[in-house]
Amino acid sequence: DTEVTQTPKHLVMGMTNKKSLKCEQHMGHRAMYWYKQKAKKPPELMFVYSYEKLSINESVPSRFSPECPNSSLLNLHLHALQPEDSALYLCASSQGGQKGNTIYFGEGSWLTVV
Amino acid sequence: AQSVTQLGSHVSVSEGALVLLRCNYSSSVPPYLFWYVQYPNQGLQLLLKYTSAATLVKGINGFEAEFKKSETSFHLTKPSAHMSDAAEYFCAVSDRVRGGSQGNLIFGKGTKLSVKP
Repeated sequence: DTEVTQTPKHLVMGMTNKKSLKCEQHMGHRAMYWYKQKAKKPPELMFVYSYEKLSINESVPSRFSPECPNSSLLNLHLHALQPEDSALYLCASSQGGQKGNTIYFGEGSWLTVV
Repeated sequence: AQSVTQLGSHVSVSEGALVLLRCNYSSSVPPYLFWYVQYPNQGLQLLLKYTSAATLVKGINGFEAEFKKSETSFHLTKPSAHMSDAAEYFCAVSDRVRGGSQGNLIFGKGTKLSVKP
């Protein structure tokens, strides 16, 4: 069982909607991540927070907005998405966020944009 | 930049047969290497991790991987396949995010393992 919990498990939203994906971890980790995974592809990093410092993958569009209220919680705010944004969104965490730290994944949130 | 290459996008074995999934890495420094498994409609689960403490790494569910520096390989094996092993397997190397200090995983393209009864 994963200790990274994501809600909702499934989300269908229209292109004009505003929604959020939520993630929580109880492992005391200080780094949290959002990855995007398209069908039959490996995950790709979108954002990482480590000790409240944000690093952004420069290819991620501004319609995705991360928020890290504290070291245990991570949100991904979604606005004006496109159908091509439909994918599995994976939240993950690691102890300190340094290179080499093991990254643990949640079960993912399946997003469909209609 | 570091990278991994997984040879074979699809591997099919019979139940009870040896499983061998291939991964080669490219790294200018000693790498941190991982194998993850993804069952249908689920997230990624860590199978094992190489950290230079030992070249033969044992993981969960009977899987193990051997780090071979001379071959730049980190192949995943299991002596006897089980039906429940059918899944997508990703090899990954740890790197730093561009312009930052945080770690990130660079994944191979994945290998889908099918197990025939």
